[in-house]
Amino acid sequence: QSVLTQPPSASGTPGQRVIISCSGSSSTIGNNYVYWYQHLPGTAPKLLIKRDNQRPSGVPDRFSGSKSGTSASLAISGLRSEDEAGYYCVSWDDSLRGYVFGSGTEVTVV
Amino acid sequence: EVQLVESGGDSVQPGRSLRLACAASGFTFQYYALHWVRHVPGKGLEWVSSIGWNNTYIGYADSVKGRFTISRDDAKNSVYLEMKSLRVEDTALYYCVKDDSSGYGALHYWGQGTQVTVSS
Repeated sequence: QSVLTQPPSASGTPGQRVIISCSGSSSTIGNNYVYWYQHLPGTAPKLLIKRDNQRPSGVPDRFSGSKSGTSASLAISGLRSEDEAGYYCVSWDDSLRGYVFGSGTEVTVV
Repeated sequence: EVQLVESGGDSVQPGRSLRLACAASGFTFQYYALHWVRHVPGKGLEWVSSIGWNNTYIGYADSVKGRFTISRDDAKNSVYLEMKSLRVEDTALYYCVKDDSSGYGALHYWGQGTQVTVSS
């Protein structure tokens, strides 16, 4: 059971906006940054959002992150077929003294 | 261009040992933290261990504490993961990851991974 809770799946049609939630606690998201990753089968995970809402260079502005209290969200606007992937949230856990990953959300473009 | 190349993965029996290595290039290695993260298909990603610059900020997941040891050699631009008393549940693809800072920051650049399979 993951420390960070994500819905197992999300879907949308091309051009739609999809939002993925990530629920944590006061020792994780409530007191630390949230990071979001995209993971395509057979490839290395890619950092999409760092420090709650910052996009690394090269990440399209269709991806955005937000945080409120002990929860965070990743929004994908203008959904494209190439966005079909697994998405993971990550945060630091003050109690475990380590990074914790969400269980992952599979996004499908229907 | 940042490059991280993992090696050392193998298929071993429970109780045996392995040493993973990660050769890095494309950045000033000594100033950055490095991490190991593993992926079990169907079970997601799991942080394994981290080492900060100058051997600071060393940490381990509870699942590997006491069995795995992380180290770095700045002269060789390499980070290592010594794995002992391997268990079936350690079977995974192990990624070497570069931080975007000297300590516990963003898990920024990832290698392609090296497969560890533990089976009798």
